[in-house]
Amino acid sequence: DVKVTQSSRYLVKRTGEKVFLECVQDMDHENMFWYRQDPGLGLRLIYFSYDVKMKEKGDIPEGYSVSREKKERFSLILESASTNQTSMYLCASSFDSGTGGSYEQYFGPGTRLTVT
Amino acid sequence: GENVEQHPSTLSVQEGDSAVIKCTYSDSASNYFPWYKQELGKGPQLIIDIRSNVGEKKDQRIAVTLNKTAKHFSLHITETQPEDSAVYFCAASPNSGYSTLTFGKGTMLLVSP
Repeated sequence: DVKVTQSSRYLVKRTGEKVFLECVQDMDHENMFWYRQDPGLGLRLIYFSYDVKMKEKGDIPEGYSVSREKKERFSLILESASTNQTSMYLCASSFDSGTGGSYEQYFGPGTRLTVT
Repeated sequence: GENVEQHPSTLSVQEGDSAVIKCTYSDSASNYFPWYKQELGKGPQLIIDIRSNVGEKKDQRIAVTLNKTAKHFSLHITETQPEDSAVYFCAASPNSGYSTLTFGKGTMLLVSP
């Protein structure tokens, strides 16, 4: 069974702290994505990666960075957490055919981050 | 970039009724349109998808229709059941060269017994 796991279901951090959210997939997918989900705003793409060490900005990258040192692992980093980064963070992965076509994204269960 | 509008934001139906959720997209080059279901406490899960070379696709009680000319697509659920209660998201894949998706804001479907 395909699986995307996220390191924490719930996380509480203080303003100004550096926060790491980890995501691991076991499907050997090329693509990995980080979204944040807020009520009434849907899922918004923060960053994505199409290969090891490759990353691209999504729609709302400000205040975030990412790291992909291994194919199966994609980390989201909040350099200095702020209260407006309190949200649900979802990681996803997908197959890449190499021709630019899109395929099903498999999501993890999410990390609910609260910044106080 | 791509913009996806989804309506309604909430939908309440009686068990056995049909439910329809509609989405419009802005990028005429978008070519992949998935629908995701998110149950409480879980990540979204794909329930059905359609590509731009197909007008309709059906899987048991769910179906998706695509009108490329009007740039809209819809999810149809027939014979709704309480376990269909969830948040549903539509998405479109913009022609960016990357396999990204732009999501609608979601529809909370409540099916009453």
